[in-house]
Amino acid sequence: AQSVTQPDIHITVSEGASLELRCNYSYGATPYLFWYVQSPGQGLQLLLKYFSGDTLVQGIKGFEAEFKRSQSSFNLRKPSVHWSDAAEYFCAVGATSGTYKYIFGTGTRLKVLA
Amino acid sequence: EPEVTQTPSHQVTQMGQEVILRCVPISNHLYFYWYRQILGQKVEFLVSFYNNEISEKSEIFDDQFSVERPDGSNFTLKIRSTKLEDSAMYFCASRESPNVLTFGAGSRLTVL
Repeated sequence: AQSVTQPDIHITVSEGASLELRCNYSYGATPYLFWYVQSPGQGLQLLLKYFSGDTLVQGIKGFEAEFKRSQSSFNLRKPSVHWSDAAEYFCAVGATSGTYKYIFGTGTRLKVLA
Repeated sequence: EPEVTQTPSHQVTQMGQEVILRCVPISNHLYFYWYRQILGQKVEFLVSFYNNEISEKSEIFDDQFSVERPDGSNFTLKIRSTKLEDSAMYFCASRESPNVLTFGAGSRLTVL
């Protein structure tokens, strides 16, 4: 069965500092992997996705993520955080067959200090 | 860019009332989904729908819930008799290709 673990519930960083949000998944094969961002009261915005190929993927707003098969991880990174990045970040694993549903992690809430 | 549209954006209802949440998926998409997010919690899969029938549902999707595609454009989620714990944000999603879901902005349901 699919599952996603985001071990950090809250993360606080200073503006300009680097950021890494952790995501580990469980799936029988190589899944489709996604990161979404959600601002308070808002919907889900896709930051980036991994299907196959190059394990380092670039997304919007300066984010990138690296797929590491050996660690079953798909960590999100940003070299320099901006105050506007404060939001909740969800990692999701997508099934590669059947209904292709997504399973989401519990989310990491990012706070940015000025 | 094509969007998934959800209405209403916010609905307040009394416990025991029926609620219908509406979604207009992207026009050439064939697969539809509903997800739920209770305040402060993760986004949970409710149901997937294809070819006018449910293809998969979670244990959350009990007999109080139903989905329908009443015409060629709308996709609805009905909650027959709402409970306090149904208060949540409900997201509709649709897809064309196998691997990318497009989500709507959500409908916030408040049950009093």
